[in-house]
Amino acid sequence: KNEVEQSPQNLTAQEGEFITINCSYSVGISALHWLQQHPGGGIVSLFMLSSGKKKHGRLIATINIQEKHSSLHITASHPRDSAVYICAANTGNQFYFGTGTSLTVIP
Amino acid sequence: GAVVSQHPSWVICKSGTSVKIECRSLDFQATTMFWYRQFPKQSLMLMATSNEGSKATYEQGVEKDKFLINHASLTLSTLTVTSAHPEDSSFYICSARDLLAGVEQFFGPGTRLTVL
Repeated sequence: KNEVEQSPQNLTAQEGEFITINCSYSVGISALHWLQQHPGGGIVSLFMLSSGKKKHGRLIATINIQEKHSSLHITASHPRDSAVYICAANTGNQFYFGTGTSLTVIP
Repeated sequence: GAVVSQHPSWVICKSGTSVKIECRSLDFQATTMFWYRQFPKQSLMLMATSNEGSKATYEQGVEKDKFLINHASLTLSTLTVTSAHPEDSSFYICSARDLLAGVEQFFGPGTRLTVL
């Protein structure tokens, strides 16, 4: 069993839809990261969370430490949001990466 | 936020040659840099952890003589793929830890290596 599980693996949405990507982890963490990987491969760090909720523009990330669960939400999705979203659990010594959620937003 | 750059962003080389990839922290001092590899459709896999001024620590299964890592300064780490083979073709990503920021890592944009 992987230390970090993401769902869904693939997601197709119509432009404007509200999107949720889920991440469950089994290790003790100092922080939980959400990363965005564009089709060309480049990675952008979206959020680092240790508790509660963070918001950047149309992106919202939440974490429930007790349940070991985090969600990434995208409001009013846009085709440019199409990418792979990766959840990563940071134990302080090591990162454990999820396999990613491939999001395609159709105009 | 902190910025990490990688150079080159992509490289194509012939089998048997060596390729050097640079990872730089542009606006902070990185005491620790991490090198990851990603094969198509797979997750990121940690290859090694390098601390400035000391030898890198390699993950199990990663050949240290094949993937040479040097972290000679607080802003630069290099990964050299020696005697590259087609199976080394992959996406190589570095990340850096800011001395002042604690556990947060900042990721570079990655380098796509294709070995012919």
